[in-house]
Amino acid sequence: KQEVTQIPAALSVPEGENLVLNCSFTDSAIYNLQWFRQDPGKGLTSLLLIQSSQREQTSGRLNASLDKSSGRSTLYIAASQPGDSATYLCAVTGGANSKLTFGKGITLSVRP
Amino acid sequence: DAGITQSPRHKVTETGTPVTLRCHQTENHRYMYWYRQDPGHGLRLIHYSYGVKDTDKGEVSDGYSVSRSKTEDFLLTLESATSSQTSVYFCAISDPFGGTLSTDTQYFGPGTRLTVL
Repeated sequence: KQEVTQIPAALSVPEGENLVLNCSFTDSAIYNLQWFRQDPGKGLTSLLLIQSSQREQTSGRLNASLDKSSGRSTLYIAASQPGDSATYLCAVTGGANSKLTFGKGITLSVRP
Repeated sequence: DAGITQSPRHKVTETGTPVTLRCHQTENHRYMYWYRQDPGHGLRLIHYSYGVKDTDKGEVSDGYSVSRSKTEDFLLTLESATSSQTSVYFCAISDPFGGTLSTDTQYFGPGTRLTVL
């Protein structure tokens, strides 16, 4: 059974810092990995999707990498801002349009 | 914005009553999903649909049923609600051909907060 782990559960950093959020998964036979952002009381917003054949994806200040063989992904946030404060979840899927298995998320607080 | 709405957004009900949650999409994307989100468990798949009248179970399907009679609507029913079904329910959509969405990416609705007393 696939398990996704995100450690630590919470992180607080000063504004402007570059930071890395980690995600690990137990079964390397994934189809893709997705990073989401969730604001309190809101739904999930898709940030980046990495296909299993890819090593990284970039969107603005965000860069996600994938090392499938070691079962790890990282989300790099450059020059963090208070508006980046949210919970970040990673999720993997074993096939196209099949279920996502989620980590429990990392709650990020960026201090002004 | 993937054009997903959920109704109701909040509901309080009593144990033993039936409850139906609705997910509506404005475009004809093929796949629709129901997840629940609970502290300590994260998000877990309840049921999903890969077409009209085509549905399958997820990992926490006991006590839930679904129906999809139209492409745009995916209904989640709790036949007899229990306190353990107090949760936030999210609908998601995806499309293997993308269309207006990024291929293989799941897009989530705003959620329904359900409280069973």
